[in-house]
Amino acid sequence: EDKVVQSPLSLVVHEGDTVTLNCSYEVTNFRSLLWYKQEKKAPTFLFMLTSSGIEKKSGRLSSILDKKELSSILNITATQTGDSAIYLCAVPGLYNNNDMRFGAGTRLTVKP
Amino acid sequence: DVKVTQSSRYLVKRTGEKVFLECVQDMDHENMFWYRQDPGLGLRLIYFSYDVKMKEKGDIPEGYSVSREKKERFSLILESASTNQTSMYLCASSLSAAGGNIQYFGAGTRLSVL
Repeated sequence: EDKVVQSPLSLVVHEGDTVTLNCSYEVTNFRSLLWYKQEKKAPTFLFMLTSSGIEKKSGRLSSILDKKELSSILNITATQTGDSAIYLCAVPGLYNNNDMRFGAGTRLTVKP
Repeated sequence: DVKVTQSSRYLVKRTGEKVFLECVQDMDHENMFWYRQDPGLGLRLIYFSYDVKMKEKGDIPEGYSVSREKKERFSLILESASTNQTSMYLCASSLSAAGGNIQYFGAGTRLSVL
């Protein structure tokens, strides 16, 4: 059965810290991995990763995929209180791209 | 700008009531989805639709039905609401594309069934 596991489930840091969020997956016919950020409303798209070892970057956020380890990490440097959110990892499932498997999410809290 | 709109942010209903959750997207996307989100369980797919009048069951369709009469609108129906359907409901839409679709989400409806 397709599975996406995120760790840790929650994390509390102080402003300025660097954090690393993990996502591991077990899916048949892997095609891509997506990261979303969810504040108190709609999850918003961050990154889509398809190739191993190629870092995607947006400001202080970056992400990389390791197909050998069946995992991805999301890094946030110099965290700010505005980074507080749930970070979701998702992988299209077995049958088609509509069958998106989501992890449980990592709840990040950044304290001033 | 991409927009998915859910009709209600918060909803309180009684057990046994019929509940309609509405979702509208303005991006001409073929695919639309309904998820529920519960702490520790992530997003679980209830139903999705890849075209008007077409629907497919997701992981947890029991107790739910859907309707897609127009491309831009996807409705989730709880025929007889129960307390275990108290949850956050998220609607999403996407284009049909190979390699992994980016789904765009609505703000969510927090439903409480008393």
